[in-house]
Amino acid sequence: KAGVTQTPRYLIKTRGQQVTLSCSPISGHRSVSWYQQTPGQGLQFLFEYFSETQRNKGNFPGRFSGRQFSNSRSEMNVSTLELGDSALYLCASSAGPAANVLTFGAGSRLTVL
Amino acid sequence: QQQVKQSPQSLIVQKGGIPIINCAYENTAFDYFPWYQQFPGKGPALLIAIRPDVSEKKEGRFTISFNKSAKQFSLHIMDSQPGDSATYFCAASIQNTGKLIFGQGTTLQVKP
Repeated sequence: KAGVTQTPRYLIKTRGQQVTLSCSPISGHRSVSWYQQTPGQGLQFLFEYFSETQRNKGNFPGRFSGRQFSNSRSEMNVSTLELGDSALYLCASSAGPAANVLTFGAGSRLTVL
Repeated sequence: QQQVKQSPQSLIVQKGGIPIINCAYENTAFDYFPWYQQFPGKGPALLIAIRPDVSEKKEGRFTISFNKSAKQFSLHIMDSQPGDSATYFCAASIQNTGKLIFGQGTTLQVKP
């Protein structure tokens, strides 16, 4: 059974640009959540989707957005990139709407120059 | 009140030792407490989890101890091995919210 797949794995952007990250959950999983991981702030919850609906949102500015498609795949977008957005962005999936047994992908490493 | 405080930040033990990582929380609505293990270049992987109606849970060499009245929980790794060297995160969530609040992480090094 394939795990959670995130693309791209690495990317470099400059300030002011925007970026779109993609996540394919484990087959059959309908919930996808996103986390930002930085050395200073650790792992912080961005948002969670279940059956194409955003159920929860973390404390991030509106520049961070996401969506989920009918096949459960998810994308997150960050607009007007800032240096502080440099981080590892992790996607996790689970079978149901609860946070139990989250399976994380390897992440997308974003560097903003 | 949404925070989970984790200590120590880093830990070095000899092979066979029993590292202990501690976490504390304030929000009594939390009802699910997982531990995740993360190796460099990988995403976190669920190690073991506990609910507040249980005081202890063991899975292989990993044990969670839970003290509901003190709002604290800890991870013990029995007979630690060099392969256990990784970063460990405690977390907490409110049932059905799909949102995990993570501790700051503990980097564990097990020396051969």
